[in-house]
Amino acid sequence: DVKVTQSSRYLVKRTGEKVFLECVQDMDHENMFWYRQDPGLGLRLIYFSYDVKMKEKGDIPEGYSVSREKKERFSLILESASTNQTSMYLCASSFFLRRAGGHEQFFGPGTRLTVL
Amino acid sequence: RKEVEQDPGPFNVPEGATVAFNCTYSNSASQSFFWYRQDCRKEPKLLMSVYSSGNEDGRFTAQLNRASQYISLLIRDSKLSDSATYLCVVIPNTGNQFYFGTGTSLTVIP
Repeated sequence: DVKVTQSSRYLVKRTGEKVFLECVQDMDHENMFWYRQDPGLGLRLIYFSYDVKMKEKGDIPEGYSVSREKKERFSLILESASTNQTSMYLCASSFFLRRAGGHEQFFGPGTRLTVL
Repeated sequence: RKEVEQDPGPFNVPEGATVAFNCTYSNSASQSFFWYRQDCRKEPKLLMSVYSSGNEDGRFTAQLNRASQYISLLIRDSKLSDSATYLCVVIPNTGNQFYFGTGTSLTVIP
């Protein structure tokens, strides 16, 4: 069974704090993704990575950075948290699209981040 | 223009009803299409792929219309357990990015 885990289910931080969200997958997936999900806006891609140390900007990368030092781990960093970054953050992983099974993304349970 | 657009609903239908959702996409070169399901306070999970010829999985039927650039999901004989948000997903023919719609909320009422 594929498992994607995220370091926290709920997190409360203050404006200006540096925030780390960790994601780990155990299926040897090449691709990893960070999304945020907000009511009415759906899932929006922040960053994705298709290999160790590789990263690509998604639709809303401003205010975020990422790190992928190991294949199984993908971290999302909020350098200086702001109230408009209050959201549900979802991590996902998949094989390469052209690989068998690559069309399916597996999601972690999400981290509900509140920035006060 | 958004890559993928969905009617957010909500759709409130009685048990046993048939309900259909549509989703339009803007990139005519898009290659792969899927429906995901997201239960309340849970993560999205793959429901089914959408093939050009249409495909069926029990009470669920997915169809693709390339000419009009939309995909559809039909649910027959709705159950209470079908209550969820249904997300359409489009993958372009280049790159590794998935494009999610905003989701359509379905509530099946007894």
